[in-house]
Amino acid sequence: GENVEQHPSTLSVQEGDSAVIKCTYSDSASNYFPWYKQELGKGPQLIIDIRSNVGEKKDQRIAVTLNKTAKHFSLHITETQPEDSAVYFCAAGSVTGGFKTIFGAGTRLFVKA
Amino acid sequence: EPEVTQTPSHQVTQMGQEVILRCVPISNHLYFYWYRQILGQKVEFLVSFYNNEISEKSEIFDDQFSVERPDGSNFTLKIRSTKLEDSAMYFCASSAGGMNTEAFFGQGTRLTVV
Repeated sequence: GENVEQHPSTLSVQEGDSAVIKCTYSDSASNYFPWYKQELGKGPQLIIDIRSNVGEKKDQRIAVTLNKTAKHFSLHITETQPEDSAVYFCAAGSVTGGFKTIFGAGTRLFVKA
Repeated sequence: EPEVTQTPSHQVTQMGQEVILRCVPISNHLYFYWYRQILGQKVEFLVSFYNNEISEKSEIFDDQFSVERPDGSNFTLKIRSTKLEDSAMYFCASSAGGMNTEAFFGQGTRLTVV
């Protein structure tokens, strides 16, 4: 079945450094790739997304890249701040036969001041 | 800012009992979803709903689960006979378009089955 692999499971960086989280997906029909940030006790919140017709997208300190051939996509956070500390989930969505989004296992990011 | 609201925030139920989790999606959204997250694990897709019918469901969403949009505002998830392993955080989400548009998540309902 469909699967999304996410690495690393835990990432610790110094404030100001960059953080990179990588995901791979298995369903060739996936055409939408959102990234969510989840803080303790809250629901996932979309921080950026990318569609299959785009290879890269940037929003201030956050950028995502997509390689459809390799079925890889990545999240890059630059100039990290302590408030970036949270769990980040990648996901892959498809509209083939219905609407379904498969999440990765999550990356717990710690930004040390 | 519009938001998805879920009630209750925490539900404790006896094993074998029926529970109904309630959600009020964002008012102009047309697509609705339920996800669950067992403590410390990934967010798992349960079901998507559009045009008053299930659009897609996962293998988790078996005959014990059902969804309903009883009126113009609520979207509910019913678990007929709860099991201990149903204990999880359940998230409702909604989106204006299909799955390639932003889904907004509620704060979740923590279901504890004892």
